[in-house]
Amino acid sequence: GEDVEQSLFLSVREGDSSVINCTYTDSSSTYLYWYKQEPGAGLQLLTYIFSNMDMKQDQRLTVLLNKKDKHLSLRIADTQTGDSAIYFCAESIKPTGGGNKLTFGTGTQLKVEL
Amino acid sequence: EPEVTQTPSHQVTQMGQEVILRCVPISNHLYFYWYRQILGQKVEFLVSFYNNEISEKSEIFDDQFSVERPDGSNFTLKIRSTKLEDSAMYFCASSPRGAGRSYEQYFGPGTRLTVT
Repeated sequence: GEDVEQSLFLSVREGDSSVINCTYTDSSSTYLYWYKQEPGAGLQLLTYIFSNMDMKQDQRLTVLLNKKDKHLSLRIADTQTGDSAIYFCAESIKPTGGGNKLTFGTGTQLKVEL
Repeated sequence: EPEVTQTPSHQVTQMGQEVILRCVPISNHLYFYWYRQILGQKVEFLVSFYNNEISEKSEIFDDQFSVERPDGSNFTLKIRSTKLEDSAMYFCASSPRGAGRSYEQYFGPGTRLTVT
């Protein structure tokens, strides 16, 4: 079955880069996602990558996908205190015509220190 | 920017009671979902809904659960007889139509359900 794993905590200093890692087990994954959850808020879609891509960049965010190792990472450049949140990795497998079930990781709590 | 909204933000109910969690997906979205997150655990898929019918459901989504789109804007999750283990944060999500865009899922802020 599908399984997605992440480390639980990451602490960085403001201005440094953050790298949040994720591993998944199902090689059938087609799309891989990063969501951000701030306290009391829902899951905000940050970015996603199709499985035939190696990298995607969107402003301060860079997603790297190593399909061979089933490893996904999210790099946040110039990390700010507003980036403090829980970051969830998620995958979808063979989306059907009627929907796209996501399987989530445990979430990584990112703490940005001054 | 359009958002998925959910009401109520917190629902407290007694075991055995029925609850209805409400969601208003983003206008013009065609795919609708419910997920839940038990405290300290992963976000879990419950059900997807498209073209007025369930397209996929998980093992969690048993006969006690049902979903409905009663009008053009609301999407509801009903739990007929709540159990203590149904206590969780319930998230609604929706996806747009369009080539490739149906992979984008937008989540609401969640409803915290507490069963006592």
